Amino acid sequence: GQSLEQPSEVTAVEGAIVQINCTYQTSGFYGLSWYQQHDGGAPTFLSYNALDGLEETGRFSSFLSRSDSYGYLLLQELQMKDSASYFCAVSVSGGSYIPTFGRGTSLIVHP
Amino acid sequence: EAGVTQFPSHSVIEKGQTVTLRCDPISGHDNLYWYRRVMGKEIKFLLHFVKESKQDESGMPNNRFLAERTGGTYSTLKVQPAELEDSGVYFCASSQDPTGHLSPLHFGNGTRLTVT
Repeated sequence: GQSLEQPSEVTAVEGAIVQINCTYQTSGFYGLSWYQQHDGGAPTFLSYNALDGLEETGRFSSFLSRSDSYGYLLLQELQMKDSASYFCAVSVSGGSYIPTFGRGTSLIVHP
Repeated sequence: EAGVTQFPSHSVIEKGQTVTLRCDPISGHDNLYWYRRVMGKEIKFLLHFVKESKQDESGMPNNRFLAERTGGTYSTLKVQPAELEDSGVYFCASSQDPTGHLSPLHFGNGTRLTVT
């Protein structure tokens, strides 16, 4: 099976930069995804890494190190609307690549 | 395009009753997934359909849960009889890519099920 670890909660102030880490244990690793979920809403896809390195999409970036079984989501120029839960999810090869999700990190952005 | 829709948004039932959740995926998405999140825990995989066929139902907790996707369009998830531990938010998601790893999952808003 797969297991993922991410912090349960992170707090930051508006305008700051925050990094949410995710470590995973799995065999047949294929890729790491990140999803955002606002309270009561649908999880929404943010980014996907299959290869080592940084993927940038606007204020959000995601990083992967396959050798370290580690990734992170970087949020820059934080805004109040970024307060949400962030989930990392790992996909493995050899099956249907169905993402396995972590417990999520609650990000609280203060003014 | 319309997103993934789930019905109902909330359901409160008593232990022993039956509940049926419905999911309408994005039109044209052959892949449909059910997940569940119990408060504070991970979003846990339940099962995966490709069109009308169950590809993987390894996450279904027990035989009180029955999922169907007749005609390969919408899907239903029935819980019968419901137990207290079935409470949680049930998410449905769909994707276009047959293997799922090249396209993201599109989630619905979920059905919040409370069993009392």
